[in-house]
Amino acid sequence: DIRMTQSPSSLSASVGDRVSITCRASQDITKYVNWYQQKPGEAPRLLVYAAISVQSGVPSRFSGSGYGTDFTLTISDVQPEDFATYSCQQSFSMPITFGQGTRLDIK
Amino acid sequence: VQVLESGGGLVQPGGSLSLSCVTSGFTFGSFALSWVRQAPGERLEWLSHISQGGGSTYYADSVKGRFTVSRDDSKSTLYLHMNDLRPDDTAVYFCAKDSYASGLYGHLEYWGQGNLVTVSS
Repeated sequence: DIRMTQSPSSLSASVGDRVSITCRASQDITKYVNWYQQKPGEAPRLLVYAAISVQSGVPSRFSGSGYGTDFTLTISDVQPEDFATYSCQQSFSMPITFGQGTRLDIK
Repeated sequence: VQVLESGGGLVQPGGSLSLSCVTSGFTFGSFALSWVRQAPGERLEWLSHISQGGGSTYYADSVKGRFTVSRDDSKSTLYLHMNDLRPDDTAVYFCAKDSYASGLYGHLEYWGQGNLVTVSS
C-alpha cells in the first residue's frame, strides 16, 4: 500500500498568513494526489485534484503543487473560514490511501 | 448535487448493518462511487469503490470479505452491506461520488454528510 505522510501534523497561523502543508508519498504517484478540507462534524470538501487543479468554487487562495512523491497545498492569505483539517489522498493505486491530516488552527 | 446517507446506528459485535446513499443532481449511472470512513480522532480510511455499472469493485483489506458494495442505478442509490461487525468498525461512514466512471486517477467530488455506525455490546 502507498503510505501518505503529511507534515506538519498541526499548524498555527494568523489571518492573512501564507501557509503550506506537505504530503509525501511512499512511492512515485505521478500527479495523482488530491487535497480535502474538513471541519468538525462535516464531510470532507475537495479543494485540489491531480496535484495542481483547483476544484470549481474553491477560492483562488488555495493552490497545489508537486509531482512524483512530494506535494504541497498552499493557502496564500488565510481567512477565518480556513481553520480546519486538511488531508491528502492518492488515487494512483488501490487501495486508495489518505494522509493523517494537518490541523490548521488560529494562532 | 446531493448525497444523503442513511442506515447507521448501534449494532452488537458480530452483527450486520446496511448503509444506503441516495443521490441526485447528476447522472448516477455514469460515475463510480466510493465509501470512506473516519473513526474518532483518526484519518480518513477508504473502504470500497464500485465502478459505473457495478462491474468492478474494490475493497480495503480491513473490510474485504465482510463488506459488500452495490448500486441500483434505477434508484440512484449506493449501498454498503456490512457483516461480522467489530468494535473497530465504529466510525462515521461517508459515501462519495467519484469524478470518473471507474478505477483510479479520480477524485471524490461530492460527499454525503456521514452516518455514524457504533459497534458495541
